[in-house]
Amino acid sequence: DAGVIQSPRHEVTEMGQEVTLRCKPISGHDYLFWYRQTMMRGLELLIYFNNNVPIDDSGMPEDRFSAKMPNASFSTLKIQPSEPRDSAVYFCASSSLSTSGYNEQFFGPGTRLTVL
Amino acid sequence: GENVEQHPSTLSVQEGDSAVIKCTYSDSASNYFPWYKQELGKGPQLIIDIRSNVGEKKDQRIAVTLNKTAKHFSLHITETQPEDSAVYFCAASMFGDMRFGAGTRLTVKP
Repeated sequence: DAGVIQSPRHEVTEMGQEVTLRCKPISGHDYLFWYRQTMMRGLELLIYFNNNVPIDDSGMPEDRFSAKMPNASFSTLKIQPSEPRDSAVYFCASSSLSTSGYNEQFFGPGTRLTVL
Repeated sequence: GENVEQHPSTLSVQEGDSAVIKCTYSDSASNYFPWYKQELGKGPQLIIDIRSNVGEKKDQRIAVTLNKTAKHFSLHITETQPEDSAVYFCAASMFGDMRFGAGTRLTVKP
């Protein structure tokens, strides 16, 4: 398996623009997680899905952030409008929690977002 | 919610020495404790994990211990090599919710 795939790897945008980050989880995994990593706040869980349904979005910082999972092999994280403080590395991870009973997560390579 | 604390924030050792990183967690319901290694420009990579019904686990040069009573767990790396240099994260998970420690930057000097 190719592992978790994220695109783009780097994104530079201007304040106020819409940004869409994409993730393809490992085939067969039924949980998908979005994280944000910054020097100040470390790795933060933003939202996670089970079988394409959002389970916990309490980590989503503001209404400007939204996430969807239209099918088992694709998820998006959207920021609209973007602000400079959104600059961070965004990671997607997936796990087969329902099968194994334990939250063994595998991370993608991340998207480095810079908002000017 | 769960709170994970990790120490030290930086650790420098000589090649061949051992390295120990310690974490504490707050939620006694957490049942899964993974350790991740993150190299520059890459995503966190799972290197070892331990479940709440196990006290110790070893994989070659890496071992983890868990003390559920005290709510702390540790990562031990023996015979360190320069390629072990990276940032290491501990985490505690209860079902889908996973919380990470702040990370330890390990430097192994040749």
